[in-house]
Amino acid sequence: EDQVTQSPEALRLQEGESSSLNCSYTVSGLRGLFWYRQDPGKGPEFLFTLYSAGEEKEKERLKATLTKKESFLHITAPKPEDSATYLCAVGNYGGSQGNLIFGKGTKLSVKP
Amino acid sequence: EAGVAQSPRYKIIEKRQSVAFWCNPISGHATLYWYQQILGQGPKLLIQFQNNGVVDDSQLPKDRFSAERLKGVDSTLKIQPAKLEDSAVYLCASSQGGENTQYFGPGTRLTVL
Repeated sequence: EDQVTQSPEALRLQEGESSSLNCSYTVSGLRGLFWYRQDPGKGPEFLFTLYSAGEEKEKERLKATLTKKESFLHITAPKPEDSATYLCAVGNYGGSQGNLIFGKGTKLSVKP
Repeated sequence: EAGVAQSPRYKIIEKRQSVAFWCNPISGHATLYWYQQILGQGPKLLIQFQNNGVVDDSQLPKDRFSAERLKGVDSTLKIQPAKLEDSAVYLCASSQGGENTQYFGPGTRLTVL
């Protein structure tokens, strides 16, 4: 069964304290791995798509990496405005096109 | 570019009542999705449309949920009758095609009492 597991469930950082979020996945055939950010009371906001092992993408203080079994979202020198829930999702070739399987998310809190 | 629009933003109903949600996707996006997000969980796909047609509704509880997308643009999701376990945020998303990035609306928070 296709599955996405995110860890930790919650992470509290001080401003400037770098860390990483983990997304482990089991999928029959990876079509793509997606990272979204979700603020309270809002819909998920697209961050990155990764397609193959070894791929990396960066946006401001965020960097996403992908291996054959997991993805990491590295946050460098975070600021309070980076506080949000970060969701990881995978698309597979076994399901219908567009069907994303989401993890439960990691709730990040950055204190000034 | 305008994003995905949803209404209402909040809805409170009694169990066994009916409710409907509306979604207007990003202009030009052929694919539209409805997701259910229960508190503390990630979104779960309910139904996917490609233009007017249903691509995937395997996780839609068809005894009480229905959805339509007329003219390949706006969509409505209906629940009738609602149960307590239907309390969740209902998210609409759209993409240019089935393999493209999905963009989400703000969601409708449903509370069933």
